[in-house]
Amino acid sequence: SQQGEEDPQALSIQEGENATMNCSYKTSINNLQWYRQNSGRGLVHLILIRSNEREKHSGRLRVTLDTSKKSSSLLITASRAADTASYFCATDGGNMLTFGGGTRLMVKP
Amino acid sequence: EAGVAQSPRYKIIEKRQSVAFWCNPISGHATLYWYQQILGQGPKLLIQFQNNGVVDDSQLPKDRFSAERLKGVDSTLKIQPAKLEDSAVYLCASSLGSYATNEKLFFGSGTQLSVL
Repeated sequence: SQQGEEDPQALSIQEGENATMNCSYKTSINNLQWYRQNSGRGLVHLILIRSNEREKHSGRLRVTLDTSKKSSSLLITASRAADTASYFCATDGGNMLTFGGGTRLMVKP
Repeated sequence: EAGVAQSPRYKIIEKRQSVAFWCNPISGHATLYWYQQILGQGPKLLIQFQNNGVVDDSQLPKDRFSAERLKGVDSTLKIQPAKLEDSAVYLCASSLGSYATNEKLFFGSGTQLSVL
């Protein structure tokens, strides 16, 4: 079973717009991570947020974490065509790092 | 620094045949992971090594899958015999410590397996 589930499953936006992806999880966590995967490639780590943190920024990325609602969001501001990829959240509930099903983002030029 | 190396990049076999994948993690990384990613889904952990030892293999189909990590460095994942549902991308990842200590994972490009 998957600990994290992303929403929406697919998102299509125009270049320059913001993209928001959400992740919900079921059990308590120590940290939550977001990864990006370009087509045919491995996953690349974007950002890690600890359970005692509420918000974190990295460049055009903003991640929030609400442990009371067991949810996280990833915001990509001023999107670019190069941001087209699948985005996964990963949570460490239990003994393993578990990935959700991902959000497929398409940014149209 | 060099990334996680995996080979082969692609593999096509017939069902009931055997296949092996190889992974060389980033130098000095103690933890090594094998994930299976079926098309359109997120990666699913098959097995996790900490140095030489297995930390978790609860989702590894042990009747057909096996994995080892040689001298705490390179790792091989084997499937014997393969089934049609094994068609997937097999991703290897490594981390300096454990994800439980807030470590991020570094992934290889994966091996795409097609079972006909």
